[in-house]
Order: sequence, then structure tokens, then C-alpha cells
Amino acid sequence: DAKTTQPNSMESNEEEPVHLPCNHSTISGTDYIHWYRQLPSQGPEYVIHGLTSNVNNRMASLAIAEDRKSSTLILHRATLRDAAVYYCILRDNTGNQFYFGTGTSLTVIP
Amino acid sequence: EAGVAQSPRYKIIEKRQSVAFWCNPISGHATLYWYQQILGQGPKLLIQFQNNGVVDDSQLPKDRFSAERLKGVDSTLKIQPAKLEDSAVYLCASSSRMGQEGAYNSPLHFGNGTRLTVT
Repeated sequence: DAKTTQPNSMESNEEEPVHLPCNHSTISGTDYIHWYRQLPSQGPEYVIHGLTSNVNNRMASLAIAEDRKSSTLILHRATLRDAAVYYCILRDNTGNQFYFGTGTSLTVIP
Repeated sequence: EAGVAQSPRYKIIEKRQSVAFWCNPISGHATLYWYQQILGQGPKLLIQFQNNGVVDDSQLPKDRFSAERLKGVDSTLKIQPAKLEDSAVYLCASSSRMGQEGAYNSPLHFGNGTRLTVT
């Protein structure tokens, strides 16, 4: 199963954009890129997912490289409530083996 | 819609005792997952059900862990006997079979987990 690599931690100032990177050099053509986040003492929460094209929703944007070997989750304006661990996950077309990595711990500085 | 319900919220047991966790997924969700999250790590998939059948249990320590989803709705995860290293948060998640792009891309919805402490 394809793996992802993320920085262990990142910091951002409040109200500034945040770009969270993820490398997935062994991604296959049918793998979807999913992002989840986990706030303290809560279960993970779905953020966004995509296959090839960039995606936007009310929470974030997902920018996918042309070769699909990397992607970036973009929070357009960080708030203190965005402080969480962000996980980038590849999901194959069987729907199985939805494996989390260690994620990126985002700190938002007031 | 109501979210994924898990109980109990907290559990403290001594090693070698038994413990069971309960999960009620979102209504209509065919797929149910159990994850173990040790402090400071990402969630680790233990078992995945599709309706009442097991899809993936490759990472479930079957000598002490068991799980069932008899009627394809709620599920129970059991540990017998517990070890110190089983101290973790046990998360349940569910998803519907079909997403916007077709099967297997609907989001996972997680409960808030059961925090187990083994002493």
C-alpha cells in the first residue's frame, strides 16, 4: 500500500494562510488523496479529498501536483480552532486499508 | 444526522482483565472500522467490516482481540486478557458504501473514542 510523508509539525500565525504538504511518491493511478484532522480529545474529522484536480470546500482547498506525487492542504485563514493534527491518507479503489500515518501537528499562534 | 456513538467514554482495568467497547455507527452506513490510537501516534486500523462481514483484520491481535458486528449495525470490540500496552484510545468509524465518485470514497465519520487505561 502506498505511503505518505508529512512534516511532524508546523506553525502558523492566526488569520494567515497555511500550506500543509504531503508527499506520496508511490501513489497509484486509482488512489484518492484524503485529508483528515484530529482536534485534541476528539476522533479524526474529514476535511477534503481528491483524485487529480484541485478541490475546494468550505473547510479547505486541496492542491494536487500534476504528477500526483505530492499534494498540499490549504487553510485560507488559520484560526485557533484549526490547531490539530492533520493526516494525509491514500485510499485505493477497493476502499480497504485506510491507514493513517503520524500526521502534521499544526500550532496556530494568536 | 446523529454521529457515531461509542461507549464507555473511559475505562480503567487491571492487566489480565477483560474489557468490551461498543459502537453504534451512523444509520445506513455499511462499513464500520475499529482503530487503536496510542498516545502520540496516528490511529492504527484493527478491523474493517462491510455489513456483518470482515473485510480486513490483518492488524488485529487475534490472540487477545475480537470484534463482531452480528446484525450489520452496531459492533463490539473485546480485549481478553488486557496487557499494559493496550492502553490507548479505541476509535470507531463508519462510512456509507457509495460516495460521489462511486464506491469507497465517502468520508469516514469517527466517534470520540473510548480511552482505555490498563494498570
